[in-house]
Amino acid sequence: SYELIQSPSVSVSPGQTATITCSGDDLTGQSISWYQQKPGQSPVMVISRTSNRPSGIPERISGSKSGNTATLTITGTQVMDEADFFCATWDIIPVFGGGTRLTVL
Amino acid sequence: QLQLQESGSRLIKPSQTLSLTCSVSGGSISADFTSWSWIRQPPGKTLEFIGYIHHTRGPHYNPSLESRVTISLDRSRNQFSLILKSVTAADTAVYYCAKASGFLDTSGHFDPWGQGSQVTVSS
Repeated sequence: SYELIQSPSVSVSPGQTATITCSGDDLTGQSISWYQQKPGQSPVMVISRTSNRPSGIPERISGSKSGNTATLTITGTQVMDEADFFCATWDIIPVFGGGTRLTVL
Repeated sequence: QLQLQESGSRLIKPSQTLSLTCSVSGGSISADFTSWSWIRQPPGKTLEFIGYIHHTRGPHYNPSLESRVTISLDRSRNQFSLILKSVTAADTAVYYCAKASGFLDTSGHFDPWGQGSQVTVSS
């Protein structure tokens, strides 16, 4: 089955840039979505179609892709950004990455 | 604003049937370019797509669960439901309902999500 690989954890200091990656075979033609999940809460979509940011999501959050790696970038990271982040794409069904825990300290 | 709310069984025994319902407010489950999804998250693990249903195109299931899963719509109540048969401890998870863009849309996404329903399978 198709796999999306994410680093388990990323740590940054407040104000720094956080980079969360998502890798998979043949992602070049794939659309990626990203979800933020804070402790005890349900996921919230922060990026759709690889780089589209829905209304209400801060401009400091952005998505991109190069080759077989998609990237979620958070500039000027704030403590409130601490969460698990999941990427997703399509195989024959939607597939989610293993998740990356972002720690801001 | 579209909102989704799960309800249903919370503690069930192995071999029994899990039943959950998602109530949709602020929009119609008969909307085009929309499918109604179930996704689960076992403790400490990532998200797993269970399946979704479109109001005219029917359901699409995760092949690994397809033999045990049924997703259906209740248009009169603006709800959709999940049935999972013959549960085991491996089915213990938080179950989320979510709206998906399109049907079999490879650029699709899930937004918004319900608050989640913790289901525990234990004797």
